[in-house]
Amino acid sequence: DAGVTQSPTHLIKTRGQQVTLRCSPKSGHDTVSWYQQALGQGPQFIFQYYEEEERQRGNFPDRFSGHQFPNYSSELNVNALLLGDSALYLCASHSGDSNQPQHFGDGTRLSIL
Amino acid sequence: QQQVKQSPQSLIVQKGGISIINCAYENTAFDYFPWYQQFPGKGPALLIAIRPDVSEKKEGRFTISFNKSAKQFSLHIMDSQPGDSATYFCAAPGYNDYKLSFGAGTTVTVRA
Repeated sequence: DAGVTQSPTHLIKTRGQQVTLRCSPKSGHDTVSWYQQALGQGPQFIFQYYEEEERQRGNFPDRFSGHQFPNYSSELNVNALLLGDSALYLCASHSGDSNQPQHFGDGTRLSIL
Repeated sequence: QQQVKQSPQSLIVQKGGISIINCAYENTAFDYFPWYQQFPGKGPALLIAIRPDVSEKKEGRFTISFNKSAKQFSLHIMDSQPGDSATYFCAAPGYNDYKLSFGAGTTVTVRA
């Protein structure tokens, strides 16, 4: 039973570029959330997708956008990258109708030069 | 907006000892309160979770104690082992909210 998988594992970009990160939820999960984790800090909620719609959004600018596909997988897009966007981006999934805890993937380490 | 305060920031314990991490939250919530364990270069792994209508939950060497009236919950790691050396995060759900709010993390070091 595969857990949450994310790709790529590492990515290096320069300021102003755009990036797309991908996530496949744990089997049986239909809800995907994205978090940003800066070095030495706890994860910060970006947004959550359920039934292919953004259900809730955290305090992140519109440069951060997402998508959920019919197979429940998800993408996180970040435009006009800033140095401050360097972080570990985490995807978490759970079953939307079970209120079970979220399970996380190992993340994508994004470095902005 | 759920706020979560976690303490201590770091702790060192001898092998076989007990590690205790405390968290406090602000807003009433009804979903699971999870604890995550994170190793360097990895994502947070779900360790144990408790619903707020339960006062204690134990899984192996890990126990969560929950005090709903005080809005506090804690993680106890019994018989700590060097392999438990990691960063631990508590998290709280929101009220009518879908996101998890995380504490700042506690780095646990277990000395052999």
